[in-house]
Amino acid sequence: DGGITQSPKYLFRKEGQNVTLSCEQNLNHDAMYWYRQDPGQGLRLIYYSQIVNDFQKGDIAEGYSVSREKKESFPLTVTSAQKNPTAFYLCASSMPRYTDTQYFGPGTRLTVL
Amino acid sequence: QQQVKQSPQSLIVQKGGISIINCAYENTAFDYFPWYQQFPGKGPALLIAIRPDVSEKKEGRFTISFNKSAKQFSLHIMDSQPGDSATYFCAASYGQNFVFGPGTRLSVLP
Repeated sequence: DGGITQSPKYLFRKEGQNVTLSCEQNLNHDAMYWYRQDPGQGLRLIYYSQIVNDFQKGDIAEGYSVSREKKESFPLTVTSAQKNPTAFYLCASSMPRYTDTQYFGPGTRLTVL
Repeated sequence: QQQVKQSPQSLIVQKGGISIINCAYENTAFDYFPWYQQFPGKGPALLIAIRPDVSEKKEGRFTISFNKSAKQFSLHIMDSQPGDSATYFCAASYGQNFVFGPGTRLSVLP
């Protein structure tokens, strides 16, 4: 069953702690993305990666870090430098050679206590 | 120039009615215009998409109308159903540059 999985679905963090959100895809897609969604707002791009071992900052990269060591995995770390991390985080992937469509995972809701 | 404007912010429609959501863009480099549907607590799912070489695309009850000269496109949901109640996002892209509209929350009353 192909798709994008994100874990955990809900995540709670104390202030000052780093936390890593998982994103895995078995679609054999080259490109992967992380978005942040706040209530009543659209999607804002945090980071994206078009190929293994390469990634680019999006519009709101400050306070976040990523890695792309494997094609199917693109974890996002929310660091303590992110001042307002409570949000819904969405991972997406695409196959730019064949389609412009981005496919999304189910999301992780991060709450900072 | 990278912004995509979307209206209305929220929409209430009676069951069986037509829901219309509008989007506008500035960057003429955009060449792909998808619409996504998102239910609460879920990730967005591709609903329908269009390229600027056609003025209309229909899939079931969902239709995209595209006006290249006005740089506008819209989503029409015919015979709206309570199950269509969700947030709808338009987007515009070229290459790997994806820009999303702020979303429209649609409520279809039974």
